[in-house]
Formats: sequence, structure tokens, C-alpha cells
Amino acid sequence: AQRVTQPEKLLSVFKGAPVELKCNYSYSGSPELFWYVQYSRQRLQLLLRHISRESIKGFTADLNKGETSFHLKKPFAQEEDSAMYYCALSARAPYNTDKLIFGTGTRLQVFP
Amino acid sequence: AAGVIQSPRHLIKEKRETATLKCYPIPRHDTVYWYQQGPGQDPQFLISFYEKMQSDKGSIPDRFSAQQFSDYHSELNMSSLELGDSALYFCASSFAGTGANVLTFGAGSRLTVL
Repeated sequence: AQRVTQPEKLLSVFKGAPVELKCNYSYSGSPELFWYVQYSRQRLQLLLRHISRESIKGFTADLNKGETSFHLKKPFAQEEDSAMYYCALSARAPYNTDKLIFGTGTRLQVFP
Repeated sequence: AAGVIQSPRHLIKEKRETATLKCYPIPRHDTVYWYQQGPGQDPQFLISFYEKMQSDKGSIPDRFSAQQFSDYHSELNMSSLELGDSALYFCASSFAGTGANVLTFGAGSRLTVL
């Protein structure tokens, strides 16, 4: 079964603290994983994709196939990071059109 | 750069009415996806179209239908609306030819059923 699990619904930290948003997945094939962010009342935006191995806005995420995890990390949280974060798995569909399967999301609140 | 355009932004309907949402993908994108996000819920995949053909189907109710037109825009038609249909409906588009699919989302259409 294809599934994405984000165990924390809410994560509250103070500015400057490290952040780790957890994501575990279940997928029989070779996974493609993403992190999407949704700021208040805005559209879903791509934050990271595992194949790029890049750092966006100070966030990084490493795919750990052994632990089937794709945790999102940032060493020093900023107030503007407050948002809803969704981990997503790209599941192969017909015609090479992949659909995204989302986790339930984690709300990150960064306090001053 | 042009993004995914959705209309209307907000829509209020009563039970048993019908509603139509429109999505205009990024130019040259050939695939359109529809997602439903209920209050406090994660986005749920409804349906997708590739080159005007339905490519995949998720948890879309039988009361809903969708299609992709020759100009690649897509419409989601919802009939016999129920209170539970109140949600934010996202459209996303992508270009299937790139292999690793990155979906670009629209701002969403918020449907409220009274």
C-alpha cells in the first residue's frame, strides 16, 4: 500500500531552535518524495524533492530507504517558517503521470 | 511566469445544487490533477487527465465528473452537492515528459455548501 505518515500534527518551537518534521512512507517501488509547504491561506508550494538533494530556505531532507523516512530538517527556525508542511510520495500512474499522495501534514509554529 | 489559474476563487452553493470549477494549467503542461482538501485535512487526489484523457482516478464521488478540453484546461463538475463537499479544491498541472513529475498547484477554489 502507498502511504505517507506524518506523526506530528503540530510542532511548536522558538525562533532559532532546530526543527525536524518527521515523515515515513510505505511504497513498493522506488519512491520519489517531496515536501510541500502551505502558508496561511496560500497555495501548496513545492519546497523540496529528494532527487535534487538541495537546500531550500535552509531546509534539507534526506531519503533513508532503510528506515523509509524523509524527515525535513532546519537547524535554526525562523518565524516566517510557520506554515503547514506536507510530505508527499509520487506514485506512478498511467501515461507517466504521477499523482501525489500526501501525508496528513504537520503545522509548524515558530514563536519569537 | 504564468501559474496554474483556478476559478472561481470562492463559491457558495446550497445542498443539491451543482457547481463547476475551472482550471487552466501552466502553458505546455499536458497533465492536470484535481485534489480536494477538507477543513483540517490533507489534500486527497480526485482525478487526473493526460492529453485530454482520464489518466488516473482517486476518491472522486460518482456525483462528480471532470474533463480536460482541447486547450488543456479542465473542469470539475459537481452535482447534488452535499454539506460534506465543502472544501478547498486544488488543481495542479505538470508535464509528463520530464519523467520526475513536479506538480504545480493553483491557489484553489473554496466551495462552501450551505
